[in-house]
Amino acid sequence: DSGVTQTPKHLITATGQRVTLRCSPRSGDLSVYWYQQSLDQGLQFLIQYYNGEERAKGNILERFSAQQFPDLHSELNLSSLELGDSALYFCASTTAGGDNEQFFGPGTRLTVL
Amino acid sequence: KNQVEQSPQSLIILEGKNCTLQCNYTVSPFSNLRWYKQDTGRGPVSLTIMTFSENTKSNGRYTATLDADTKQSSLHITASQLSDSASYICVVRGMDSSYKLIFGSGTRLLVRP
Repeated sequence: DSGVTQTPKHLITATGQRVTLRCSPRSGDLSVYWYQQSLDQGLQFLIQYYNGEERAKGNILERFSAQQFPDLHSELNLSSLELGDSALYFCASTTAGGDNEQFFGPGTRLTVL
Repeated sequence: KNQVEQSPQSLIILEGKNCTLQCNYTVSPFSNLRWYKQDTGRGPVSLTIMTFSENTKSNGRYTATLDADTKQSSLHITASQLSDSASYICVVRGMDSSYKLIFGSGTRLLVRP
C-alpha cells in the first residue's frame, strides 16, 4: 500500500459525459501528478500540482482539467468523453516537486461506452 | 521519437533464472533515471532511482546500472521468482523547467515455473 488513495476504482460512462476522478496523496506529500495509461501503452504524464499550484503540464487534452485543493487532495475532471479516453488513470505523490520517489495510487479504470 | 526506448518488449524466462532488461534514452541533460515495477492493473512501484553520477544501485534481487556516457541503463533480476512477472518501466527525468518524467513503454516479463 503506497498511501495514495484514488476513487473510484472503476468508472463506466457514456461518450459525451463528464467525470471526476479523485486522489488523496500520502500524508505530508505536497506534489500530485496525474498519468493516463491506455491499454498496453506506457504511462503518459498529464499534469502536476504542487501545494495547490499547477507546476507542469504534459499531454493533457483541453477537455481535461485538474486542481489541487487546500487539503492537498486533487481532482481530475474529464469532459466530453470519447471512446479513446478509456484508460487507467493514476495519481502519484511526492514530498516535493522533483527528484523524490513518486508513490502511485491504485488507479481508476475508466471505461467509456 | 520516444526519448526512452526499452528492450525487449517482452520476455519469458524460467523461475530461478536471471535476466537483464535494457533502457536507452536520449533525454539530455537528465536529472535521474528510475526503474519501476508494475503489476497488471496496479500502480507502478519504484525499484531504484539513480542520479547521473551513480553507476549502480541494488534493491534486493534487482540491480540497476547506468552508463551516462552511452545513455544506457539496465535492470538485472537475479534468481527470478513467479512474483517477478510484471512490466518493468524505465523512466528518465530531464533537467528542463517542466520537471516531467519521460516513461519508456516497458518490458513485460513473464516468469514460468
